[in-house]
Order: sequence, then C-alpha cells, then structure tokens
Amino acid sequence: GNSVTQMEGPVTLSEEAFLTINCTYTATGYPSLFWYVQYPGEGLQLLLKATKADDKGSNKGFEATYRKETTSFHLEKGSVQVSDSAVYFCALREGNDYKLSFGAGTTVTVRA
Amino acid sequence: DAGITQSPRHKVTETGTPVTLRCHQTENHRYMYWYRQDPGHGLRLIHYSYGVKDTDKGEVSDGYSVSRSKTEDFLLTLESATSSQTSVYFCAISGTGSYEQYFGPGTRLTVT
Repeated sequence: GNSVTQMEGPVTLSEEAFLTINCTYTATGYPSLFWYVQYPGEGLQLLLKATKADDKGSNKGFEATYRKETTSFHLEKGSVQVSDSAVYFCALREGNDYKLSFGAGTTVTVRA
Repeated sequence: DAGITQSPRHKVTETGTPVTLRCHQTENHRYMYWYRQDPGHGLRLIHYSYGVKDTDKGEVSDGYSVSRSKTEDFLLTLESATSSQTSVYFCAISGTGSYEQYFGPGTRLTVT
C-alpha cells in the first residue's frame, strides 16, 4: 500500500535559518504529492503540491521538488520566520483516488 | 476559506456512551472525509463519502460509523466511546476534479 515517511521532529530553528523537512514515499503507481501545514489550533491547509516527476511546488517561500528516482518530496525554505512555526505534513494521493495518505507530521518551532 | 464547520469543537464524554460529531459544509463539494489526528500517527482516515448516502471505510474505521443524508452534512458516530478514541477529529472536503482537500477546525474529543 501507499505510505509516507517524514523526518521526526520536533525541529527548532532560529529566525532566518534554513529549513529542510525530509519526506519519502512508497506507492505502486505515480502519485501526486502534497505538503500541508497546520498552524496552532487550526485545521490543515494545503501549502504546495506537485503532480508529476520533476515538478516543483512552491508557496510562501517554501519549495519542494518531486523526485521519482529517490521517491522523495523534501520541503525547504531558505529563511524561516517565527510565523512559520507549525506542524508540516507530507501526503500523497495515488492515481484517481481522492483519498490522501499522510505522514506523521513534523513540528517546527522558529525562535526570534 | 472553505466553508466547513465542525460541532462540537470540544467534548468530554465517558467510556461506553455514544457520541456524534457533525461536519457541515457550504461549498457543495462531493467528497467528505473524517480523519483522526494522534501524535506520531499524523492523520488517519476513518471514513469518507463520495456522495449522498455513499460512504466507505478508511484505514481506522473500527468503532466508528458515518452517515450522509444531505450533501452538506457528514456525521461521525462513535457507537460506544472508548479511551482509545480520545483524539482530535478533522473533517475535510474536496470537489470533483480537484484533489485539494479543505479541512475544518477540528473537534477535540476526550473519553474518560
């Protein structure tokens, strides 16, 4: 079956530091890949997505590239802010299935 | 923001009692989902619906049932609550042709 593995947190950074959250996946076909973000006390919201190999998703300074050869979709941001403190989830959707499979989530705390 | 509300937002109940959580949407989206969020597990799909009266099980459906009698409402019922069902429950919706899921604010359920 499909599965998503994320690097374990929590991750604590200083403002303006570089952030990377690793995500690898297992799928039988060619999935679409997503990063969702959950700010404290809120539901999840889509941060970015990529639907085919070598696609790069980007939003709010975050980027992730769909790497089929390494089955990875790592999230990066060059200079984090305190407002980026949140839980980040990697997820995949396979084929025409509307269901998502989520990773365990990575808690990121950015200190001023 | 997508129009999704969940009720109640917080609930404390005793073991063995039935509990119903409600998800209401104003987007007229076809697909609705119930997830539970637990530390170390990310989000896990409980049940989902692909239309009125059309529902199916997710990966952690034991002890839960759902109903969808109207497009806008998706109910999750715990027939006899157990302490292992203490969790945060999220409802999500998605439309036909769009795989992005929009999440509600969540319901924190504590079973004592």
